[in-house]
Formats: sequence, C-alpha cells, structure tokens
Amino acid sequence: QQPVQSPQAVILREGEDAVINCSSSKALYSVHWYRQKHGEAPVFLMILLKGGEQKGHDKISASFNEKKQQSSLYLTASQLSYSGTYFCGTIRLYNQGGKLIFGQGTELSVKP
Amino acid sequence: DAMVIQNPRYQVTQFGKPVTLSCSQTLNHNVMYWYQQKSSQAPKLLFHYYDKDFNNEADTPDNFQSRRPNTSFCFLDIRSPGLGDAAMYLCATSTGLAGVNEQFFGPGTRLTVL
Repeated sequence: QQPVQSPQAVILREGEDAVINCSSSKALYSVHWYRQKHGEAPVFLMILLKGGEQKGHDKISASFNEKKQQSSLYLTASQLSYSGTYFCGTIRLYNQGGKLIFGQGTELSVKP
Repeated sequence: DAMVIQNPRYQVTQFGKPVTLSCSQTLNHNVMYWYQQKSSQAPKLLFHYYDKDFNNEADTPDNFQSRRPNTSFCFLDIRSPGLGDAAMYLCATSTGLAGVNEQFFGPGTRLTVL
C-alpha cells in the first residue's frame, strides 16, 4: 500500500522552512527520501532505518517515528535549489529483501 | 564516474510497434529495477532483478518484459506499446537489500507512442 504524503504541494519564499510528512497504514521498517527535479531522475536524500532515528545533512533533515508509522522531512532556510518533488518511500518486504513503494510526492516550489 | 546509463533518452514509437529500452551500470550492483513514471505521479515499480532472479510485480502488464544478460545490462521490452504506455521509464540499481540501501537512478527514457 502506497504511503501518504502531506502536503501535496507547498510554496515557500527563499529562507523559509517546510515540513513534509509521510505516513503509512502498515508497519514501517525503513523510510527513504528522494528529490526529483522536473525532467530529471530521483536523487537519493537519506534513509532512516530505526524508529526514532534522525538524520540530516546541510539544512535538510528527517525523523522516523516507528510507532506512529510516519516520517517527516524538514527543510530549513530553504534555497532555490530545494525546488522539486519530494518522494518518501517505504519498504514492502518479500523473501529476497524489500522493494521500495513511493508516496505520491510533494511538490515544493521555492521562490526568490 | 560510476553511474547508471539509459539509452536512448527519448524514444518515439508507433502504436503496436515493439520497442526496447536499455540500461547499463558501472556500479556493479546486484539489483536492478525498472520503474514507470507518468506525469505528476510517483515512480511505479514494474519489475526487478536480484542478481539473475527476476521478480515481476503482480500488476505489471504482460506487454512488458525484461532481460538481464549480465550484471551490467538490463533491458525493458514493450511488445505492443499502447498510448497508455507513454511515460518516463527509469532504471535504478542498488546493492543488496532494497530496504537498507539507496537506489541509484539513471536519467530515464521518455517514451512517446504515436
């Protein structure tokens, strides 16, 4: 089952903060975050593997609440380069490991 | 640089005319994936290879086939493309289990069906 992202779209001014949420009706084993710019391939941002794990680089960070079956991506002091569609991905397990199921995406636009 | 390469970047075909998209990787990853992405939608997994083992998604149409002749190359064959198959096709790779490893995506092939 596809994870649900919110909001579907957000418009920011440069320097503003944003939070993108990803929730699942099924237990989460890990959460992936990717960013895709228009016409380009998705680019990996980070994976969170444990409940309660938090990660970040530069001004983009994420948290993973295993009990609530959700993850949040935090973008602080947004830059124009942050514009794009953000996808979370959750793992559906099978006998050889897992496969990534993407959420529907959150379109982020950062304006000057 | 190690990477995932897709050819061609743009492919135009006619309704019902078979088409093959190719993907190669220099990362030596054992898992390769094919995704279909339509406009404003999330990538949808079609199938993947774990080494030589082929794993098909239950809702992938029979019209879509794949081949992986060796570790580096993977092909997507669309036997009789319909108008609804027009999309971006993304190839991705990962090492080991998808759950704990990032996926590296190629630039994609945009397929147009006339």
